[in-house]
Amino acid sequence: DQQVKQNSPSLSVQEGRISILNCDYTNSMFDYFLWYKKYPAEGPTFLISISSIKDKNEDGRFTVFLNKSAKHLSLHIVPSQPGDSAVYFCAAFPYNQGGKLIFGQGTELSVKP
Amino acid sequence: EAGVTQFPSHSVIEKGQTVTLRCDPISGHDNLYWYRRVMGKEIKFLLHFVKESKQDESGMPNNRFLAERTGGTYSTLKVQPAELEDSGVYFCASSPLLDNEQFFGPGTRLTVL
Repeated sequence: DQQVKQNSPSLSVQEGRISILNCDYTNSMFDYFLWYKKYPAEGPTFLISISSIKDKNEDGRFTVFLNKSAKHLSLHIVPSQPGDSAVYFCAAFPYNQGGKLIFGQGTELSVKP
Repeated sequence: EAGVTQFPSHSVIEKGQTVTLRCDPISGHDNLYWYRRVMGKEIKFLLHFVKESKQDESGMPNNRFLAERTGGTYSTLKVQPAELEDSGVYFCASSPLLDNEQFFGPGTRLTVL
């Protein structure tokens, strides 16, 4: 039973355009969400996070939006660059369950020049 | 500052053999996590150490897996005997005690033939 879902396994975007990566979750006890970026043969690296008390967090070209009523979050990358090509994982912290992260399956983003 | 390191980077063993994976967390990080990604699916939590104590081992698949963290420093994950379904990439992550951001190592790719 997957609690965090990324339904798009891949996404292709033109350089300079917006990339939108989506993530849905089922557990209302999740209170903190993170996006990780992963290049081949490397471990995931933290990108941006959002607390459940907010609906938006921005860091440079990256913005994460949280819609709690829809149990949906999205990562916007504007403008997209070829170096953004990677696998993006959405992850959630369940409240009061220690520090484990619950990950989605990942979305492979390809930004074409 | 050195990041999380994992050894080996790749291991190929036959079914029934034993393999031991090692993780060295970032110095001073009390939290240490093991995760696994199988066949391009989601990254799944295995277990969580706080210093030398197992905080949560709810994700360990079965008793063929044994994790230790001697002295609260590095950790080992032993698989004995290995089965075909154990193949995947094993990630280790660490974080300071009350921090939500986990820093991941590059992973160990385990192939069981």
